[in-house]
Amino acid sequence: EPEVTQTPSHQVTQMGQEVILRCVPISNHLYFYWYRQILGQKVEFLVSFYNNEISEKSEIFDDQFSVERPDGSNFTLKIRSTKLEDSAMYFCASAYGHSSYEQYFGPGTRLTVT
Amino acid sequence: AQKITQTQPGMFVQEKEAVTLDCTYDTSDQSYGLFWYKQPSSGEMIFLIYQGSYDEQNATEGRYSLNFQKARKSANLVISASQLGDSAMYFCAMKDYGGATNKLIFGTGTLLAVQP
Repeated sequence: EPEVTQTPSHQVTQMGQEVILRCVPISNHLYFYWYRQILGQKVEFLVSFYNNEISEKSEIFDDQFSVERPDGSNFTLKIRSTKLEDSAMYFCASAYGHSSYEQYFGPGTRLTVT
Repeated sequence: AQKITQTQPGMFVQEKEAVTLDCTYDTSDQSYGLFWYKQPSSGEMIFLIYQGSYDEQNATEGRYSLNFQKARKSANLVISASQLGDSAMYFCAMKDYGGATNKLIFGTGTLLAVQP
């Protein structure tokens, strides 16, 4: 069964450093998402991406964040200058269509900023 | 604005018994979807069940069923015959089909512990 993959599974970085979280969505999916879950809290929407552009972003997704689909298979989330409060689990998800009811989630990347 | 409310931070259930996890939602849209995800301690998000706002019958997937009461804006998850492997965090979520994107809005979750 096809699945969404994410690398790395755990990333430790120092405050102020740039990180890139990588995702490979399911190959025929067209809609891509990043969500964040701070430890012990609910999952929060960050950004959605369709047709090579951002279709919606939350207020969390400020200028420090960017997304890219550089080669038609990978979908990346970049945090330019990490802060302590960026420590969280980051989930990538993909869906086939706008009205497709299921978003398939990857296993997550746990980001720890020290 | 859309909102999902899960009022049970934690629940205990005996193995083999049924358990209901509560979820209420708020939206002004007519077309929406309701979802339940399971998050075990390993952290991944596992899709369990879906209910569309226009579906007349309650959704069922194996031991999972969704008790959808549209007038009350509730979408409770019922797990029958609980197993030890059901111990996990459970999140209710909603998607608005009338919006520009189909992002999911999540509740705060319910931590379920199944006791032998």
